[in-house]
Amino acid sequence: DAKTTQPTSMDCAEGRAANLPCNHSTISGNEYVYWYRQIHSQGPQYIIHGLKNNETNEMASLIITEDRKSSTLILPHATLRDTAVYYCIVRVAWANFGNEKLTFGTGTRLTIIP
Amino acid sequence: GAGVSQTPSNKVTEKGKYVELRCDPISGHTALYWYRQSLGQGPEFLIYFQGTGAADDSGLPNDRFFAVRPEGSVSTLKIQRTERGDSAVYLCASGRLDVTEAFFGQGTRLTVV
Repeated sequence: DAKTTQPTSMDCAEGRAANLPCNHSTISGNEYVYWYRQIHSQGPQYIIHGLKNNETNEMASLIITEDRKSSTLILPHATLRDTAVYYCIVRVAWANFGNEKLTFGTGTRLTIIP
Repeated sequence: GAGVSQTPSNKVTEKGKYVELRCDPISGHTALYWYRQSLGQGPEFLIYFQGTGAADDSGLPNDRFFAVRPEGSVSTLKIQRTERGDSAVYLCASGRLDVTEAFFGQGTRLTVV
């Protein structure tokens, strides 16, 4: 799987949009971008994933650049409960899920400030 | 329950002892993963099961680590002759081919003293 680069930590004011960047310059054409987060003392939680189009769900939006070398996870109205470590992961197409593990980096520690 | 269940939640053992960590996946999930997470690091892959068989055990650090899933549901991670360096949170995740995400348990915090 392609290596990803994320800032070590970020702060965001409560109620504002949190924008978490991720660089994946060596991503292959069949690799998706996945985001997971890990709240303290819990297991990782899936947030969103995408291939090349922007995606949105009830938790977040994912913006992928046209060249697919970077992406941004957007939490539109951050709350204190969004304080967590956010992991950006690239992996091959979902059809191969049965044979593909998730490779985590060290992630971005996002702190939401009251 | 609705989620992945791991027991015990905490385990303290003496160096050299044998430990077993249990994972109950979500019912119907055929895929099961074990990860290990050290302080300040992201989870590190250990082993993956598809059904009863270990499809990928490339992450097991050495032969002291072994995992089984005899009936394709519950899995047990076994660590022999524990060392202080084995201290970590051991995470289990389960999934299904037609579901887009892996579901993680809360983990077992193993402390070897």
